[in-house]
Amino acid sequence: DAKTTQPPSMDCAEGRAANLPCNHSTISGNEYVYWYRQIHSQGPQYIIHGLKNNETNEMASLIITEDRKSSTLILPHATLRDTAVYYCIVRSYNAGNMLTFGGGTRLMVKP
Amino acid sequence: NAGVTQTPKFQVLKTGQSMTLQCAQDMNHEYMSWYRQDPGMGLRLIHYSVGAGITDQGEVPNGYNVSRSTTEDFPLRLLSAAPSQTSVYFCASQQGAITGELFFGEGSRLTVL
Repeated sequence: DAKTTQPPSMDCAEGRAANLPCNHSTISGNEYVYWYRQIHSQGPQYIIHGLKNNETNEMASLIITEDRKSSTLILPHATLRDTAVYYCIVRSYNAGNMLTFGGGTRLMVKP
Repeated sequence: NAGVTQTPKFQVLKTGQSMTLQCAQDMNHEYMSWYRQDPGMGLRLIHYSVGAGITDQGEVPNGYNVSRSTTEDFPLRLLSAAPSQTSVYFCASQQGAITGELFFGEGSRLTVL
């Protein structure tokens, strides 16, 4: 699976949009981009995933560049409860149940 | 649905002891897996299973055994615990297709003295 690069930490003001970037320059055509988050020491929580097109659900939006070498997770109105470590993962069709977690981005939402 | 249930939540072992971390899911998911998370780091895959009777190794399988006799259960066994296995262990399950999301348990915190 392609590797990802994320900033180690970011701050965001409560109520503002949080934009979390991820670079995956070696991504191949059959690899999806997944985002998970981990609040404190809980089990990771699925947020969203995509292949080529931008995606939106009740939690977030995922913007994937046209060349697919990078993506941005957008939390439109961050709350204090969104403070967590956010993991960007690239996953191939043949990976089965395997997710390769990197260091992630620690997002701190501040009042 | 309870989702993914892990037991115990906390465990302290002495070096050389054996134990089993239990994982059960009630969502009829085909895929199940075990990860470990060391302080300040991301999760690393230990073992996974794509269905009953089928298991395979992940990134860090040494020192761990698994079996999958039923769809619901996927226990992780430590045959001879070592201090290097002190970690938080997460079990996860997924319906089956590559685009399915993983559902994680709440974790089992293991300390080996």
